[in-house]
Amino acid sequence: SQQGEEDPQALSIQEGENATMNCSYKTSINNLQWYRQNSGRGLVHLILIRSNEREKHSGRLRVTLDTSKKSSSLLITASRAADTASYFCATDEEAGGSYIPTFGRGTSLIVHP
Amino acid sequence: ETGVTQTPRHLVMGMTNKKSLKCEQHLGHNAMYWYKQSAKKPLELMFVYSLEERVENNSVPSRFSPECPNSSHLFLHLHTLQPEDSALYLCASSQWTGFGYTFGSGTRLTVV
Repeated sequence: SQQGEEDPQALSIQEGENATMNCSYKTSINNLQWYRQNSGRGLVHLILIRSNEREKHSGRLRVTLDTSKKSSSLLITASRAADTASYFCATDEEAGGSYIPTFGRGTSLIVHP
Repeated sequence: ETGVTQTPRHLVMGMTNKKSLKCEQHLGHNAMYWYKQSAKKPLELMFVYSLEERVENNSVPSRFSPECPNSSHLFLHLHTLQPEDSALYLCASSQWTGFGYTFGSGTRLTVV
């Protein structure tokens, strides 16, 4: 089943602007992760936020988590053309003692120089 | 390089062929995954292995057959595929399930 759902599906901004992407999910989670994918390549892990955390920072990335609303946001500040990529959120559903990762459809971000 | 290596990078095969995709990690991870990524669709989890045991099989057709001989290697054996199986196949690994995932660069598969 699809757990995370990113919004918007596509985002186009100018270099220097901030980009905000949202993710909603349906069931309780152990943690939520954000990934980036350049065209036709594998996904790169950006940041993991645990269910008992509300905010996390990594460089120009800021992730928030609201478990009451079952949502998360990824903010990229001072965007660069090199940030152009697809961004995915992933959540882990527990299944028989293991955690099964589920990804959303992603947000396609284009940063114009 | 992420530490997860997938070969080949590109594969074109006929519907009657048999081929295998290979994934290798030397990160000391204990869980490995196969994903299928098609255009305009969410990433589809196909198989999960934890400590070399399959823990998830997401209703994948039997023409896809995974093999995990040890915690560092994962294979996806392909036979009698259909054109709709054309996609990017991604391998990932993690320390344990429920932790961050490290992905390979994928194999772009085209079935003709």
